[in-house]
Amino acid sequence: DAGVTQSPTHLIKTRGQQVTLRCSPISGHKSVSWYQQVLGQGPQFIFQYYEKEERGRGNFPDRFSARQFPNYSSELNVNALLLGDSALYLCASSFEGNTEAFFGQGTRLTVV
Amino acid sequence: AQSVTQLGSHVSVSEGALVLLRCNYSSSVPPYLFWYVQYPNQGLQLLLKYTTGATLVKGINGFEAEFKKSETSFHLTKPSAHMSDAAEYFCAVSGGTSYGKLTFGQGTILTVHP
Repeated sequence: DAGVTQSPTHLIKTRGQQVTLRCSPISGHKSVSWYQQVLGQGPQFIFQYYEKEERGRGNFPDRFSARQFPNYSSELNVNALLLGDSALYLCASSFEGNTEAFFGQGTRLTVV
Repeated sequence: AQSVTQLGSHVSVSEGALVLLRCNYSSSVPPYLFWYVQYPNQGLQLLLKYTTGATLVKGINGFEAEFKKSETSFHLTKPSAHMSDAAEYFCAVSGGTSYGKLTFGQGTILTVHP
């Protein structure tokens, strides 16, 4: 079975641009969470979606948004990119929102 | 609110030596506790988890951790380090109304010397 897949694996954007990151959960998993991992730090929670509803939101500005589709895949959008948004963005899926989370390989975003 | 403190951002051991990575947590509700490992430029892999029941938890690759409520600790150990254990390790906590939200520590980089 395929694990959590994220795309793209790497991308470079310019300050002020917008970016969309994509995540496909493990088949049968209904919950997707997004984390930001800045170099040298632990992952920070951004969003959790369960059954297409936002279940939780971390301490991130409104420039960050997400959604979950009927097939349980998810997109994370970041507007008006700042240099500080450069990070590894991790997606995790779980069967339900409170069970074991499986992580994807991440998307490395560089803002220049 | 929940938080995790990992004591020691870097730990260095010799191959075959005991590995001990320290984690202390803070939680106002019964916690779920996790240890993840991250290899360079990769995502996180779950090593082990504590939810309820037995406080000594065994995970993959010979790792284990013990939940000590009185000490609010969940330290990770492995009796004999292997070169392939070199990686970054993260302790995480969830629970209560934020079951799905993992709060991570800052991470501990484990170096294994031959």
